[in-house]
Amino acid sequence: QSVLTQPPSASGTPGQRVTISCSGSSSNIGSNTVNWYQHLPGTTPKLLIYSNNLRPSGVPDRFSGSKSGTSASLAISGLQSEDEANYYCAVWDDGLNGPGVFGGGTKLTVL
Amino acid sequence: EVQLVESGGGLVKPGGSLRLSCVVSGFTFSSYSMNWVRQTPGKGLEWVSSISRSSISRSSSYKFYAESVKGRFNISRDNAKNSLFLQMNSLRAEDTAVYYCARVGSCSGGTCSYVDYWGQGTLVTVSS
Repeated sequence: QSVLTQPPSASGTPGQRVTISCSGSSSNIGSNTVNWYQHLPGTTPKLLIYSNNLRPSGVPDRFSGSKSGTSASLAISGLQSEDEANYYCAVWDDGLNGPGVFGGGTKLTVL
Repeated sequence: EVQLVESGGGLVKPGGSLRLSCVVSGFTFSSYSMNWVRQTPGKGLEWVSSISRSSISRSSSYKFYAESVKGRFNISRDNAKNSLFLQMNSLRAEDTAVYYCARVGSCSGGTCSYVDYWGQGTLVTVSS
């Protein structure tokens, strides 16, 4: 069981907006920044969001992140078929630049 | 171009040992903390271990481990060879996974940390 809690599944139709939640505690999300990854089977995880709400270059602005207290969310607007993947939230100890923790992952299905 | 290339995976019996290696290029290795992250079959990503970057004031690096591997795994680095290692001892069936070498990026001022580059992964299978 992961320290960060995500719903195991989510779904939406093309063009819809979906959100994926990530719940933690004061020792992880509450005191560090949150990151989001997209992972397709057989590929390397891709960084979507870092530092709660920042997008690396090349990530479409359809993807957005937010954080409040000990919870965070990833929102995907204008859902596309290629967004079908597993999504993980993750937190690293910003001060130590060391220990990390992942959420259990959410399988997003585009109907 | 940033590259991370893992090697050393394979089939090992329970109780056995394996040493994973990761050779990096395209960035100043000594300036970055590094991680090992694994994905078990049919399950999600799991952080395994971290080693801090080297500093002028300190000759050694901080090391961190997930509870599930503490006392059995040892992370190390050789900055002269741009290499990261994971020595895995007393392996168990539940250690079966694809192991990724990963670079930890950070925001200016150290206000955030995140993995920004991943290797392709190396498969470790623990089975009799």
